[in-house]
Amino acid sequence: GEDVEQSLFLSVREGDSSVINCTYTDSSSTYLYWYKQEPGAGLQLLTYIFSNMDMKQDQRLTVLLNKKDKHLSLRIADTQTGDSAIYFCAELNAGNNRKLIWGLGTSLAVNP
Amino acid sequence: NAGVTQTPKFRVLKTGQSMTLLCAQDMNHEYMYWYRQDPGMGLRLIHYSVGEGTTAKGEVPDGYNVSRLKKQNFLLGLESAAPSQTSVYFCASAYRDNNYGYTFGSGTRLTVV
Repeated sequence: GEDVEQSLFLSVREGDSSVINCTYTDSSSTYLYWYKQEPGAGLQLLTYIFSNMDMKQDQRLTVLLNKKDKHLSLRIADTQTGDSAIYFCAELNAGNNRKLIWGLGTSLAVNP
Repeated sequence: NAGVTQTPKFRVLKTGQSMTLLCAQDMNHEYMYWYRQDPGMGLRLIHYSVGEGTTAKGEVPDGYNVSRLKKQNFLLGLESAAPSQTSVYFCASAYRDNNYGYTFGSGTRLTVV
């Protein structure tokens, strides 16, 4: 079945760039998403990319999609302590009642 | 404010008690979802609904029931709570053409003792 994998932890220094990686197995994915979950809060949509795009940039966020390798990444430039959170990758499966398939989340720790 | 509202935010139940979690959205979304989140297990789909009056099972439906009598509300019921149902529960909603992702509520933290 469909699967989305992420590394579980990432630690960076404040001011550095963070890169969070995600791989997925479903070649029929249409949209891919990055969500952010701060401690004690719900999930917040950060950004998304359509499968026919290679890159999307939104202020400090850059999403790269390598459809051939089924690899998605989220780069956060100039990482701040407020970026400390869990980041979830998800793919939209065109069939399957259009449910999102979720990774387990990457916990990003930003050290001052 | 527009969005997804979950009530209650916190609850402690004794084993065997029942309760209902309420999710309400004011965005006219057709699709609604109930997830549970446990450490190290990510988000697991309990039940979902693709429209008023319809519900379907997700990955972990056992011990839960749902109802969607009105388009804006999605209720999650626990008939006889068990300690294994201690978790954080999230509701989410989306348009039928949900290319733009889900909108999540802020969660309900449930402890079953």
